[in-house]
Amino acid sequence: GQSLEQPSEVTAVEGAIVQINCTYQTSGFYGLSWYQQHDGGAPTFLSYNGLDGLEETGRFSSFLSRSDSYGYLLLQELQMKDSASYFCAVRGRGANNLFFGTGTRLTVIP
Amino acid sequence: DTGVSQDPRHKITKRGQNVTFRCDPISEHNRLYWYRQTLGQGPEFLTYFQNEAQLEKSRLLSDRFSAERPKGSFSTLEIQRTEQGDSAMYLCASSLGQVAKNIQYFGAGTRLSVL
Repeated sequence: GQSLEQPSEVTAVEGAIVQINCTYQTSGFYGLSWYQQHDGGAPTFLSYNGLDGLEETGRFSSFLSRSDSYGYLLLQELQMKDSASYFCAVRGRGANNLFFGTGTRLTVIP
Repeated sequence: DTGVSQDPRHKITKRGQNVTFRCDPISEHNRLYWYRQTLGQGPEFLTYFQNEAQLEKSRLLSDRFSAERPKGSFSTLEIQRTEQGDSAMYLCASSLGQVAKNIQYFGAGTRLSVL
């Protein structure tokens, strides 16, 4: 089967750095994605790792280790607007859909 | 705004009633997906269309659920004889061609409350 594990909640201070971890179990691995969702809003794509290593997009970076079935999302210079839920996702069984983790709720405090 | 629009944004219905939701994907996207999301959970896949063909359905999609995409553009999701357990956010997403980088563009969803 498929499973994704990520912490349910994280709190961090404005301006700080926070790392959200994700471990996965899936057959037919096609990469690890990260989505952000504000309350009442649409999930929006943040980052993707198809190969091992670090991908950087502005204040956000994502890392993947396929041998460890592990990845993380790194958010730097945290801003209040970064308070949201963050989901890691892998390609689903049918390979035409996404299988999401249960999400990590990030709260940024002043 | 991702360019994927869903209507209505909220729907309140009584148990046993039928409801229909509409999704308008990004115009050039040939792939369309429906997901369901409950509080504190990630989106769960329901069904997938490539153009007008429904190519994949999740086990979550019971016989009371039906989805169409008649001309390969907008899509509708109908739930018949709604149950309280159907209360959730129903999300639509679209993508173009092969799901490169697993990028799907989501709408803001239709929140269904079944009383």
